[in-house]
Amino acid sequence: EDQVTQSPEALRLQEGESSSLNCSYTVSGLRGLFWYRQDPGKGPEFLFTLYSAGEEKEKERLKATLTKKESFLHITAPKPEDSATYLCASYNFNKFYFGSGTKLNVKP
Amino acid sequence: DAGVTQSPTHLIKTRGQQVTLRCSPKSGHDTVSWYQQALGQGPQFIFQYYEEEERQRGNFPDRFSGHQFPNYSSELNVNALLLGDSALYLCASSPRQGAKGELFFGEGSRLTVL
Repeated sequence: EDQVTQSPEALRLQEGESSSLNCSYTVSGLRGLFWYRQDPGKGPEFLFTLYSAGEEKEKERLKATLTKKESFLHITAPKPEDSATYLCASYNFNKFYFGSGTKLNVKP
Repeated sequence: DAGVTQSPTHLIKTRGQQVTLRCSPKSGHDTVSWYQQALGQGPQFIFQYYEEEERQRGNFPDRFSGHQFPNYSSELNVNALLLGDSALYLCASSPRQGAKGELFFGEGSRLTVL
């Protein structure tokens, strides 16, 4: 069965302390790997799409990378406003499979 | 340009009742998907509609049904509510043509079943 697993479940960082979030997937015929940001009580907000192993995308302090089994979301010098839950999702045959997310808390 | 809008934002129901949630997709989008998000979990795919028909369905019972109207708006209906149906229900829209898979989500409808 297609599955997406994210780790860690929660991550606390000091402002400026860089780290990475992990998303591993077992999906046959992957059409894309997506990263979303979700603030409390809000719908997910699109961040990145990755389509093939070796691909990288960047946006401000965030960089997403993709291998054949995993994707990483690297956060460089995070700020308190980066605090949110980060969701990854695989896309296959018009269905999205979401992981449970990593809740990031960045302390000033 | 209005994004995806959902109503109501919050509602409380009792077990056994029925609920209808509504969604208007982003302008230019013709495909609507519904997701259930329990507290602390990622969204779970319920079903997808385009051209007024259900095209894909996740692992949800027949108590969950939907509809898409000619203007692309959509409804999610849940019958015989259970306590476990308490969740945030998210609507997401996307364009059918030229789609790259990216979803645009609404703010969700928070359903509490007592």
